[in-house]
Amino acid sequence: AQRVTQPEKLLSVFKGAPVELKCNYSYSGSPELFWYVQYSRQRLQLLLRHISRESIKGFTADLNKGETSFHLKKPFAQEEDSAMYYCALKGAQKLVFGQGTRLTINP
Amino acid sequence: SAVISQKPSRDICQRGTSLTIQCQVDSQVTMMFWYRQQPGQSLTLIATANQGSEATYESGFVIDKFPISRPNLTFSTLTVSNMSPEDSSIYLCSVELGTGGYEQYFGPGTRLTVT
Repeated sequence: AQRVTQPEKLLSVFKGAPVELKCNYSYSGSPELFWYVQYSRQRLQLLLRHISRESIKGFTADLNKGETSFHLKKPFAQEEDSAMYYCALKGAQKLVFGQGTRLTINP
Repeated sequence: SAVISQKPSRDICQRGTSLTIQCQVDSQVTMMFWYRQQPGQSLTLIATANQGSEATYESGFVIDKFPISRPNLTFSTLTVSNMSPEDSSIYLCSVELGTGGYEQYFGPGTRLTVT
């Protein structure tokens, strides 16, 4: 079975502070992992995926197979980063989402 | 990328009635997906719709309640039948594009309220 856990429903940090959104997964095979973001009044969009190993909007995420984690990090948070973030796992067929973390960046 | 539109964007319906949600994509895609997002919850896959074949439903979702059509490679509909207040959710259409790797794009969603 595929399962994605985001332990924090809400996360609030100050502008300029580092931010880390946690994601843990459970999957017996080799997973593909993604972070999706939904800004206020916008549709859900792909932020980054682990196979790309890229940095988008200053965010990075490293797949740690030993800890079955795919945490999203940014060294210096900006106010425009306030949004809902979903970690997702694609197993054999379908994309499974975590519960989401609402990130608020305080000025 | 893909541009996905959904109609209606929102609706308020009475219990016992049905609503059909349309999803239009600006390019031909093989796989389309329908998700439900209940208030305060994450996205849950309802079914996968491939053109020319019956939709594949996830556990907990049945064709009688959520019939899906997929008449061509750019269009799909999801019907929410015999609605109850528990069906109040956001329903999202999504497509998968495989060029250069797997990516899934989402429509804006249809916000359904059942009274």
